[in-house]
Amino acid sequence: KAGVTQTPRYLIKTRGQQVTLSCSPISGHRSVSWYQQTPGQGLQFLFEYFSETQRNKGNFPGRFSGRQFSNSRSEMNVSTLELGDSALYLCASSTGGADTQYFGPGTRLTVL
Amino acid sequence: GDSVTQMEGPVTLSEEAFLTINCTYTATGYPSLFWYVQYPGEGLQLLLKATKADDKGSNKGFEATYRKETTSFHLEKGSVQVSDSAVYFCALSGPIQGAQKLVFGQGTRLTINP
Repeated sequence: KAGVTQTPRYLIKTRGQQVTLSCSPISGHRSVSWYQQTPGQGLQFLFEYFSETQRNKGNFPGRFSGRQFSNSRSEMNVSTLELGDSALYLCASSTGGADTQYFGPGTRLTVL
Repeated sequence: GDSVTQMEGPVTLSEEAFLTINCTYTATGYPSLFWYVQYPGEGLQLLLKATKADDKGSNKGFEATYRKETTSFHLEKGSVQVSDSAVYFCALSGPIQGAQKLVFGQGTRLTINP
């Protein structure tokens, strides 16, 4: 079974721009969660989608948003990019409930 | 809120040494506990997990026991290899914050020298 895939793997943007990251979960998984990883703050939960509905949300500003499609693929959008948004963005999928989350390789975003 | 505290790194050991990485947690209710590993340039891989008190998770020679009385989930391995060099994260997920919201420790970088 194919793992979680994330595109693109690397991205360079400038301040003020917006960016969209994509995540394709493992086949059959309906839950997709997003995390931000930075050297200073570590791994922080952004949000989780299940069956196209946001089910849980972390403490991030409204510039960070997401959505999930009927095939469970998910996108994350960050508007008005700031230098501090430079990070590795990881997505994870699971069947939902208390099942284990499986992580993708991440998208490395650099904001200049 | 829920939190995880991990042993400060980096940790450097010689091959075949015994490894312990300490992890303690604060949580409401009865969380599930996890150890994830991250190799350079990659995402996180689940190493092991435990879902209730006194459960022992194990995988690839690594072990951790869910200790409710000490709120701990320390990672151990009897004989480490160079290939174990990576960053290790302790994490929890709980019924209060949602099973799909993982709360991570700060990570411990492990380097094994031949």
